[in-house]
Amino acid sequence: GQQLNQSPQSMFIQEGEDVSMNCTSSSIFNTWLWYKQDPGEGPVLLIALYKAGELTSNGRLTAQFGITRKDSFLNISASIPSDVGIYFCAGPDYGGSQGNLIFGKGTKLSVKP
Amino acid sequence: DAEITQSPRHKITETGRQVTLACHQTWNHNNMFWYRQDLGHGLRLIHYSYGVQDTNKGEVSDGYSVSRSNTEDLPLTLESAASSQTSVYFCASSITQGNVQFFGPGTRLTVL
Repeated sequence: GQQLNQSPQSMFIQEGEDVSMNCTSSSIFNTWLWYKQDPGEGPVLLIALYKAGELTSNGRLTAQFGITRKDSFLNISASIPSDVGIYFCAGPDYGGSQGNLIFGKGTKLSVKP
Repeated sequence: DAEITQSPRHKITETGRQVTLACHQTWNHNNMFWYRQDLGHGLRLIHYSYGVQDTNKGEVSDGYSVSRSNTEDLPLTLESAASSQTSVYFCASSITQGNVQFFGPGTRLTVL
């Protein structure tokens, strides 16, 4: 079935650094969603992308819908401690029920010791 | 404000007991979902519903059931809890299929 592969699985950030992560698939997507999950909470939508090549910002976060429609990227500029958490990409489950979403396994951001 | 709530937030139960986790949303969304989240597995779909009286099995439905008697609620029942069902459970809802889902705060379930 469809899978979304997120990279990296985990990373450490130092305050002020820029952060990049990506999500890839062997299948084409028409929608890419990026969520963030804080510890002990449910995922919260950060950015939704609906068009190939689209670049959308939400504060210090910028996400792009890849031209091939098989990938998406999320960048965080000038990271701050509250950016720690797990970031998930998601897209419609075309391989199963198209009413559902499939999720990547997440990129975990932690603060550098 | 419209929202999605889950109760209880934490639950400890014993193997073999029946457990029901509640999910309530006030957005009037037709689509509701239950996921479990475990380390190394991300979010896995248990059951979903596209409307009243509609229920469907997801990727990991064995040992779970749901019912949809109204738009607002989709309770998840573990018929006979097993230790393998220790997990964090999230409910979600969406207005459009295959699009943005809004998540509840989660229920942490421990089966001893």
